[in-house]
Amino acid sequence: DTGVSQNPRHKITKRGQNVTFRCDPISEHNRLYWYRQTLGQGPEFLTYFQNEAQLEKSRLLSDRFSAERPKGSFSTLEIQRTEQGDSAMYLCASSYAGTTEQYFGPGTRLTVT
Amino acid sequence: GQQLNQSPQSMFIQEGEDVSMNCTSSSIFNTWLWYKQDPGEGPVLLIALYKAGELTSNGRLTAQFGITRKDSFLNISASIPSDVGIYFCAGRSGANSKLTFGKGITLSVRP
Repeated sequence: DTGVSQNPRHKITKRGQNVTFRCDPISEHNRLYWYRQTLGQGPEFLTYFQNEAQLEKSRLLSDRFSAERPKGSFSTLEIQRTEQGDSAMYLCASSYAGTTEQYFGPGTRLTVT
Repeated sequence: GQQLNQSPQSMFIQEGEDVSMNCTSSSIFNTWLWYKQDPGEGPVLLIALYKAGELTSNGRLTAQFGITRKDSFLNISASIPSDVGIYFCAGRSGANSKLTFGKGITLSVRP
């Protein structure tokens, strides 16, 4: 039984570079969520998918951010032209549609220098 | 926007003691969840609550969904060193799928 996995676990990039993170949800979970967490704060919702469809996006998700879930399984989150303010832990979670329990992966720690 | 309030920011207890923490909101939530997060890891779901007044246990953990639907409580009994971590409350309101999180309470357990 595998939980939610995320890769890479850590990413250091220079300002202005593009980065892409991957999330593999619990198999058969049809909902997948992205959250961002900064130091001393709780996770903040970014976006979520039900199967392939992106159903909601937060205002936190600027136009430099894009998320995809092309086959309704894994998802990618891309940040273009990274800024220092993008430094954070990016968390992925998954659930069955219609249920509230969301199960989180270990996160990807992004540091923008 | 909606906010969940957790205070104090940190709690220090002696091993074996019980500890209670609460979470309040100015808005109504129809589901409350409690998560624990260790450094460098993702949050782990502890307990989910679905009805006002509901009391649910998971081992040494007990959580309650407040009657007003604007608060929730988590109690940890007979604390042990591995209870150390950050405890987050999270709520879901209306038909939203997203969770709104509090800022978390850092729990330290002295042996």
